[in-house]
Amino acid sequence: DSGVTQTPKHLITATGQRVTLRCSPRSGDLSVYWYQQSLDQGLQFLIQYYNGEERAKGNILERFSAQQFPDLHSELNLSSLELGDSALYFCASSDSGGDTDTQYFGPGTRLTVL
Amino acid sequence: AQKITQTQPGMFVQEKEAVTLDCTYDTSDPSYGLFWYKQPSSGEMIFLIYQGSYDQQNATEGRYSLNFQKARKSANLVISASQLGDSAMYFCAMRAENTGGFKTIFGAGTRLFVKA
Repeated sequence: DSGVTQTPKHLITATGQRVTLRCSPRSGDLSVYWYQQSLDQGLQFLIQYYNGEERAKGNILERFSAQQFPDLHSELNLSSLELGDSALYFCASSDSGGDTDTQYFGPGTRLTVL
Repeated sequence: AQKITQTQPGMFVQEKEAVTLDCTYDTSDPSYGLFWYKQPSSGEMIFLIYQGSYDQQNATEGRYSLNFQKARKSANLVISASQLGDSAMYFCAMRAENTGGFKTIFGAGTRLFVKA
């Protein structure tokens, strides 16, 4: 158990809908990262927050948004869902977010868009 | 451009033998971190080992060691005394500064099969 929690574990929804994925980092970690893992794209970095502020942005679509709250938990919002958004979404956390930081991953949320 | 390459889609190893999983990387950033993660069939990503670009010695964590050859830009994972539970997908990753901050990129992964 990495100490990172993600809810829900599974999510099934329809095209065009909006969903919210939630992540709680390990105790003491200030940085949260979101990743998408799909069969065709592999593991892709989406976005990073550090202590409530956006720190780095990767291949995140405009239909997706995220935020980190004062209690350091983070939410990833996915809207206008398409079939291609079906994937495993990971949250990871680290203590400071620098280049040497080890990221610890949560169990993931498996999103299925029908 | 930053890149991580894992050229072995699948590898087989006999139980109790050692195996090397290859990883090459490319970055122009002098400061970077290299990581290996294991993803079993259950789906979670498990951190295995870390090597910093300025580390003089190769990292080791139990049965895992990282063969870091900076000039060749390679960071191969060596698993000694393989166990059946080592059967999983293994990802090499690099964290380096990029446009817009530090980003982590992952290789395509190597699926390891341990035979009894």
